[in-house]
Formats: sequence, structure tokens, C-alpha cells
Amino acid sequence: QVQLVQSGAEVKKPAASVKVSCKPSGYTFTHYYMHWVRQAPGQGLEWMGWINPNSGATKSAQKFQGRVTMTRDTSINTAYMELSRLRSDDTAVYYCVREDIMVWGQGTLVTVSS
Amino acid sequence: DIVMTQSPDSLAVSLGERATINCKSSQTVLFTSNKKNFLAWYQQKPGQPPKLLLYWASSRDSGVPDRFSGSGSGTDFTLTISSLQAEDVAVYYCHQYYSSPWTFGQGTKVEIK
Repeated sequence: QVQLVQSGAEVKKPAASVKVSCKPSGYTFTHYYMHWVRQAPGQGLEWMGWINPNSGATKSAQKFQGRVTMTRDTSINTAYMELSRLRSDDTAVYYCVREDIMVWGQGTLVTVSS
Repeated sequence: DIVMTQSPDSLAVSLGERATINCKSSQTVLFTSNKKNFLAWYQQKPGQPPKLLLYWASSRDSGVPDRFSGSGSGTDFTLTISSLQAEDVAVYYCHQYYSSPWTFGQGTKVEIK
């Protein structure tokens, strides 16, 4: 069945960058867009953007433009989300989500703290 | 951006009773060419990712108990749990995937009365 496995928790200092990976299985990686959604502690769900794994095209939410980079490596069927210039309010669980059947990764907790 | 507004924010229901959650979108999420509403419902328990319950507003995902049902079209939607079970205690979110950016309701917390 379709599964998305994400990289482990990260602790970063303010102004640093973090790169989260998402490795799907159970389907052809390049056939479906991958979205990224985050959830701050005790808060709701916030969409960050998507990547087309086939072409590499991306679209990000206006709020994150200039700070988020979504990439993929088709040789290892992995999608990445990198967020730069981290602030304390970027502390959240970051999820990858496969479109159409809305399968979610297990989440990656990113903690930003000095 | 399409704004999704859920009501109520929280809900306490007795075991075996009905729970109803509403979701309203600021614009239609009905794609007229295929007559599908691009609206999903999720259940989220603490420490877990959201779990898809319903897509196309009313189609249950595989393995989802039939006590969960969805209705509505256009801009107004409802998630109904027909007979609340203890394991249904969670936060529920609606989600529109009609257009970018994806947007979500603020969540409704369901508890046992």
C-alpha cells in the first residue's frame, strides 16, 4: 500500500535551515504531486506548497516564498522540503502528503530554539 | 484563498449519540465539469498525522467505519458521526483541495459527554 516515510526530528537554531525528506513507496513517485503541510504545536494545518516530482516544478504559499525550497531526487524516489532563516514560530510538525488519495507521512518535528 | 470555517470549535456528545460538524467554504469547491466537491474530512488524534475519513465530500476512505458520513455541496458541508464511540475522540478537520493554496478548517474537537 502507499506509504510516505519522513526523516527524523530536528533541532535547529534561529536563522539556520532545515531539510526534511519524504520517501514514498507503493506507487510510481513521479506520477503524483507531493504537498507539504505543517502544524505548529496545538494549532491547525497550514499548507506550504507542492512539487511535481516528474518535472520538478513547484508552487509555494505566499507566506513561505523566498524561504522554502522543494526539490526531489528521482534516482532515489525522495522529495525534500528545505526551510531557511528559521524562527521560533517555525517550530512545528512538517508533513508530506500525496495528492488525490491524501496519504500523509508520519510527520517530522522541527524545533527551533536558541 | 478559500477560507474554510468549521463549527462548532468543540463538541461534547454522549456515547452512542450523533455528532455533527459543519464546514463552510468562502467560495464553491464544486467542480462543475465532473460534479465533484473537492472537500475532504480528516480525523487527528494526539501525536498522529491526520487520517483521511472522507473525500469528494461524501466518499468514505477504505476501512473507515460507516458511522462516519459526509454531505453537502458547493460551500456548505457536514460530517456526521451517527453513533459516537470512545475511539472517535479526536480533532476533525475539513480541507478543500479545489484550488491552491490548499486550506483547512480550524478544527473541531470532539469529546465524550
